[in-house]
Amino acid sequence: KQEVTQIPAALSVPEGENLVLNCSFTDSAIYNLQWFRQDPGKGLTSLLLIQSSQREQTSGRLNASLDKSSGRSTLYIAASQPGDSATYLCAVNTGANNLFFGTGTRLTVIP
Amino acid sequence: DTEVTQTPKHLVMGMTNKKSLKCEQHMGHRAMYWYKQKAKKPPELMFVYSYEKLSINESVPSRFSPECPNSSLLNLHLHALQPEDSALYLCASSHTLLQDEQFFGPGTRLTVL
Repeated sequence: KQEVTQIPAALSVPEGENLVLNCSFTDSAIYNLQWFRQDPGKGLTSLLLIQSSQREQTSGRLNASLDKSSGRSTLYIAASQPGDSATYLCAVNTGANNLFFGTGTRLTVIP
Repeated sequence: DTEVTQTPKHLVMGMTNKKSLKCEQHMGHRAMYWYKQKAKKPPELMFVYSYEKLSINESVPSRFSPECPNSSLLNLHLHALQPEDSALYLCASSHTLLQDEQFFGPGTRLTVL
């Protein structure tokens, strides 16, 4: 069964810093990988989707990379802002759009 | 309209009650999903509907009964729940069941007394 791990579990950074969140998965037979953010008690907001044939995707200050063969993805956030504080989840699609979620990284950006 | 809506936002029910959660999207998506998320845990898939037909049931107890009356609506009927069923219930949709981006609703916070 696919297992998805995110490191670190929690991260605090000062405002303006660039940061990287990590996601690793055990089975490289994935169709795509999606990054989400979740504010406390709220739903998930989709940030980026990377298809298995792609190496990276960018949206504004966010850049996600995918190395399928090594089972890794990273989410890079540039010039972090207090509004970026949230839990970030990665999810891998193993087929039939069945998403396996990682354990999440709780990010706090300190003003 | 790029939104998935869910009602109610909060629900408190007793173990003998019958209630329903509702999810709606008007993006023309043909796949819809129910997830359950316990506190400080990632979401876990419960059900998947594709073209209004149940495609995946992840061994969910029968006290949870999904329904997809049309391509825009997804319901989750609840009956005889247990306190351990208290969680955030998330609905999502995607264009199809292929490698498509999933869009999530804000969730219904369910408390079972």
